Parts: sequence; C-alpha cells; structure tokens
Amino acid sequence: QSALTQPASVSGSPGQSITISCTGTSSDVGGYNHVSWYQQHPGKAPKVMIYEVSNRPSGVSNRFSGSKSGNTASLTISGLQAEDEADYYCSSYRSSSTPVVFGGGTKLTVL
Amino acid sequence: QVQLVQSGAEVKKPGASVKVSCKASGYTFSSYGISWVRQAPGQGLEWMGWISGYNGNTNYAQKLQGRVTMTTDTSTSTAYMELRSLRSDDTAVYYCARGIYGIGWYSRFDYWGQGTLVTVSS
Repeated sequence: QSALTQPASVSGSPGQSITISCTGTSSDVGGYNHVSWYQQHPGKAPKVMIYEVSNRPSGVSNRFSGSKSGNTASLTISGLQAEDEADYYCSSYRSSSTPVVFGGGTKLTVL
Repeated sequence: QVQLVQSGAEVKKPGASVKVSCKASGYTFSSYGISWVRQAPGQGLEWMGWISGYNGNTNYAQKLQGRVTMTTDTSTSTAYMELRSLRSDDTAVYYCARGIYGIGWYSRFDYWGQGTLVTVSS
C-alpha cells in the first residue's frame, strides 16, 4: 500500500515561514482527524510535533502548527530557525489492514 | 520520566531471525501500547505493527504478516519484536514507540526508543 505523498524537500531562510503538505485519500487523511507530524534530526529518533491534525504536545514550540483540508494535511513552521532543519514525516490512521501509514518524508533546509 | 531503552545492534545472515527488546520505564506499562517502526538506510519511516500493553492484542502491517511477532513481558515492562526469514531489505534501524491508539483510531507515538540497527548480510 502506498505511503502518503510529501514533497521531497523544502527550504526557507531564518525568520520565514514554510509549509509542508501531506496528501492522502479519503481512507486516511481525508477521512479521519488522526494526522500527526514527526521531526527527525540525523541519527536521532523521531519526535512528535503535531497530533490529531492541529494539536501540539507539551513542550513543542507554538511556531509549529497543523491543519487539514480535504485529503491534504499541512505542517507550517513560522519564524524558521536553524534548529528546525530536519526531516519531517506525516502520518495518518488508515482504514485498512495496515492502520498506520507514514509519508515519504520532507527534508527541510534552513538557508 | 518516560524512557524506552532498546537492545543493541545485531548482525544476521539472510534467513535468520532477530529479536529486539524495548524496556519501558516511567509510566504504567499496561496503560499504553507499543508500536514498532523501522527505517531503512536513507529511507522513510515504515510502521510494522503494535501491541497492547494491557492485553497483548496485536495488529501487524499486512506486508509483514507471517514474519513478525510482537510480545510483551508485563513483569519487566518490556516489549519484544521478532522478525523471521530475514532478507537484505530488512536492514534498517528498528524503533519502538509508545502508542496512543485504539480500535479505529490512532493519535500519536509520543515517546521513542533510541533505535536498534539490524544488519542482514551474508
């Protein structure tokens, strides 16, 4: 079964805002508010940044926000900082025999 | 504080099996599930399955059905993932993660282990 679709890379300058999209289908992103986003720095374990479309775990900066429209979810990072440079993965519940699916990942470069 | 500590790196030959452990601390083990996620070198995340810390119920990714078994030892708050009939494309870092999920929904994986590199090579 196919992964969710994310752009391979995005970039932005410090202080700018960027948005990463995550496109699925009505069986996953579009059908449920169970979208989460993970940040992964090289050699490290992933860290949840957003869950249930737009909720931030305690301790995550409010520069990170999430939203969803139809079959596409989005992660927005405002006021880009050098430490935001990482890989970002979206994930969703999917109504299938494999109930969790990840996106292919997006490499964020802070110029 | 919540911690998940995994066992060390493994090197296996094709056709062999590997069993990775994940010891949880800092929370009530039976109140959460444990999921396993793997990441091949330079690739993205792949969900493998999850197991309830309460009753041991499992749900595996369809592509791994028949090759993977997840178990728990509630007396030591440890989860295990065994993968059999290893192939070269099973070479990956294997992560355990505490899962917040239920029947028909999944919220997030909120704490992760440090990862275990499994290398499959002849």
